[in-house]
Amino acid sequence: DQQVKQNSPSLSVQEGRISILNCDYTNSMFDYFLWYKKYPAEGPTFLISISSIKDKNEDGRFTVFLNKSAKHLSLHIVPSQPGDSAVYFCAASEGGSLGNLIFGKGTKLSVKP
Amino acid sequence: GAVVSQHPSRVICKSGTSVKIECRSLDFQATTMFWYRQFPKQSLMLMATSNEGSKATYEQGVEKDKFLINHASLTLSTLTVTSAHPEDSSFYICSARGWGGVYNEQFFGPGTRLTVL
Repeated sequence: DQQVKQNSPSLSVQEGRISILNCDYTNSMFDYFLWYKKYPAEGPTFLISISSIKDKNEDGRFTVFLNKSAKHLSLHIVPSQPGDSAVYFCAASEGGSLGNLIFGKGTKLSVKP
Repeated sequence: GAVVSQHPSRVICKSGTSVKIECRSLDFQATTMFWYRQFPKQSLMLMATSNEGSKATYEQGVEKDKFLINHASLTLSTLTVTSAHPEDSSFYICSARGWGGVYNEQFFGPGTRLTVL
């Protein structure tokens, strides 16, 4: 059973608009969440993370929101740029940043000029 | 900082041969390295975790005799796929984690595409 779910395999957004990528999890023991960006035939690149003691973390155009009661997190990209087009993976771990990562299947974001 | 390299980036081999993939942390010391594999349109699946100087810990369902992992130094880990078969064809990605500050996160290598004929 998948512990980290990204139910939207793809998302298309117009340049300059907001991109919202969603992620749900089932394991209530997860206490650390991350988003990675991945281009084809490359390894994932770390974007942003959030600890379960927070509900929001912001870094430039990227903001991650965590709703623990709903076991849901989202990544907001504002404004979206064509260079943001990639596959975005949500990951979660127990034991903070030192825990093993459990990944979702990813959402392919396409930002159209 | 926090650059992880993998070599080779792509390898094609015959069934029954062994293939070695190297993972290096270039600008930090990796106390822990991880090996993942990814099938098309699937998530990254953790295969094993290795700490420098000790035996790797394999995830359930991963054959330790088939996927040999060596973490001989704080900057190098190797994955050897022994007696490779076509079903081993996949994208293998390593990651490395250091200690303290930004290096607490996992930093991923660019991946190795293995094709077994």
